[in-house]
Amino acid sequence: AQSVTQLGSHVSVSEGALVLLRCNYSSSVPPYLFWYVQYPNQGLQLLLKYTSAATLVKGINGFEAEFKKSETSFHLTKPSAHMSDAAEYFCAVIISGGYQKVTFGTGTKLQVIP
Amino acid sequence: SAVISQKPSRDICQRGTSLTIQCQVDSQVTMMFWYRQQPGQSLTLIATANQGSEATYESGFVIDKFPISRPNLTFSTLTVSNMSPEDSSIYLCSVKGTAWINEQFFGPGTRLTVL
Repeated sequence: AQSVTQLGSHVSVSEGALVLLRCNYSSSVPPYLFWYVQYPNQGLQLLLKYTSAATLVKGINGFEAEFKKSETSFHLTKPSAHMSDAAEYFCAVIISGGYQKVTFGTGTKLQVIP
Repeated sequence: SAVISQKPSRDICQRGTSLTIQCQVDSQVTMMFWYRQQPGQSLTLIATANQGSEATYESGFVIDKFPISRPNLTFSTLTVSNMSPEDSSIYLCSVKGTAWINEQFFGPGTRLTVL
């Protein structure tokens, strides 16, 4: 069965500092991986996705993530945090197949301190 | 990407009543999904709704509590029946991408509070 684990339910960074949100996956077959962002009182927006084409994936708003098979990780990073990045971030995994069920991590709330 | 709208955006309901949430997509899609996000928690899939067939429910969710309709390829409804305070959640619908079917797009959600 597929699963994702997000380390740290809350992360605080200073404005301008590096953002690192951790996600580890478990899957018996090569997965597809996603990062979604949820701003307060809004739905989920896709930040980026790993589809096996390239291990380093660039997304919107300056975010990127690197797929590391040896570490079963897909951590989300951004070189310089902005106040507008304050939101909740969800890592998700999907296994290609007939049903294609998405499994979400528990989420990480990012706080950006001015 | 698909544009998804949901109605209502939020509601406050009394215990024992029912609420029907609508999901409208700007393009025809085969599969629509309904998720629940309880306060402070991640998303949990309630059911998958295919047009022209019965919805497929995940473990822990039943049709009597969460009946779903899917009358056409752009619309679906989820009803939360006989509500209790434990049903207070955000309910989101989503659809698969058309350019790449492994991608999912989400509606803005319906914030439900049950008193």
